[in-house]
Amino acid sequence: GENVEQHPSTLSVQEGDSAVIKCTYSDSASNYFPWYKQELGKRPQLIIDIRSNVGEKKDQRIAVTLNKTAKHFSLHITETQPEDSAVYFCAARGYTGRRALTFGSGTRLQVQP
Amino acid sequence: TAGITQAPTSQILAAGRSMTLRCTQDMRHNAMYWYRQDLGLGLRLIHYSNTAGTTGKGEVPDGYSVSRANTDDFPLTLASAVPSQTSVYFCASSEILGQGDGYTFGSGTRLTVV
Repeated sequence: GENVEQHPSTLSVQEGDSAVIKCTYSDSASNYFPWYKQELGKRPQLIIDIRSNVGEKKDQRIAVTLNKTAKHFSLHITETQPEDSAVYFCAARGYTGRRALTFGSGTRLQVQP
Repeated sequence: TAGITQAPTSQILAAGRSMTLRCTQDMRHNAMYWYRQDLGLGLRLIHYSNTAGTTGKGEVPDGYSVSRANTDDFPLTLASAVPSQTSVYFCASSEILGQGDGYTFGSGTRLTVV
C-alpha cells in the first residue's frame, strides 16, 4: 500500500518568514495530494490540494508543488503569521484499491511573533 | 449546518467493555472513513466504506468493526476495548468520484481505555 513520509516533524520560523514542509510517497499511481491544517483540539481542515496532472497550485500565501518523477510534494507558506501555527498533514490517495487517503505523520509549525 | 456529527465527544471506557462510536453525515457523500490519531503517528486508517453496503479494512483494523447500512451512518465498534485503543478517533467523508476528493472530518471522539 501507499506510504507517506513527512519532514520536518517540527518547524519554527519567525513571523514574516517562509515555511516549507516536504512529503514523499511510494505509490506511483497516486493521483491526489491534499494538505490539512489542524489546530490544537480541532479537526483537520483542508487548506490546499493538487492533482497529478498539475505541477504547482497557489492560493494566496500558500502553494503546493508536485514532482511526480521524484514522488514528492511540498507545501510552501509565505509571509507566515502567528495564526499559521498548527500541525500540518500531507496525504496521498492511490488510484487503485481502497482509494482512501494515506497521511504523513505531521509537522508542527510554530510561528514566532 | 451540513457536515459530519460524531458522538460521543469523549469517553472513558473500562478495558474489556464494548463501545460504538457514532458518525452521521448529511452531505450525501459516497465514501466514509474512520481514522485514529496518535501523537507522532498522524492519522491511520482503520476501516473505510466506498458506498453504502460495502466496507473495507484499512491499515489498523484489528479490534474494530464497522457497518454501512445506509449512506449517512458509519458506526465504529470496539468489541472488547484494550488500553492500546486509547486515541482520538476521526470520522470523515468524501465524494469518491469527480472533483470532490477532499475529506470533511467530524470533530473527533477522544477515547481513553483504562
